Amino acid sequence: QKEVEQDPGPLSVPEGAIVSLNCTYSNSAFQYFMWYRQYSRKGPELLMYTYSSGNKEDGRFTAQVDKSSKYISLFIRDSQPSDSATYLCAMRTGGFKTIFGAGTRLFVKA
Amino acid sequence: SQTIHQWPATLVQPVGSPLSLECTVEGTSNPNLYWYRQAAGRGLQLLFYSVGIGQISSEVPQNLSASRPQDRQFILSSKKLLLSDSGFYLCAEQGNYGYTFGSGTRLTVV
Repeated sequence: QKEVEQDPGPLSVPEGAIVSLNCTYSNSAFQYFMWYRQYSRKGPELLMYTYSSGNKEDGRFTAQVDKSSKYISLFIRDSQPSDSATYLCAMRTGGFKTIFGAGTRLFVKA
Repeated sequence: SQTIHQWPATLVQPVGSPLSLECTVEGTSNPNLYWYRQAAGRGLQLLFYSVGIGQISSEVPQNLSASRPQDRQFILSSKKLLLSDSGFYLCAEQGNYGYTFGSGTRLTVV
């Protein structure tokens, strides 16, 4: 079993839709949870950062962490074609290593 | 803010040839630096990380090596490339909330 599971997609939605991206994990010691966005042929960029359980909102993006279920989510409201990218979840304990999901490819159609 | 410089952006190398990828960091001193590899459609695989000059931790035994000759310089090397070394190589610096990635080097071994 992988430490972090993420559906690779692709996920295709119409412009304006609400997008839900998810990851599950097995290591209960993870405390820091991140979402990265990666455009084609570019390095990932940090989108959201959450410590422990709870919700965090930043503009059209909301990150949720449910440590009891070992489940994290990223919601994108009013999705735009410019949101088309691969979204990677990532998590770590307090140490140096971050574990990434495989990434979900998202296509937002105009 | 941190800036990660990576070059070259694209590289095509024959099997058995040597490799040297360089990463330099601006904007921070004594950074924790990482080398990741991303295969097509897959997540990020941690190859090496370094917490200081001359300090290298290897995560995956293979024909690659890393060095950190200066505080803000991280080098990935190989004496003889294999076909399986093809991939997208990313250098990253760990900040307070997550990674800042470079723009990556796409390596194709032919």
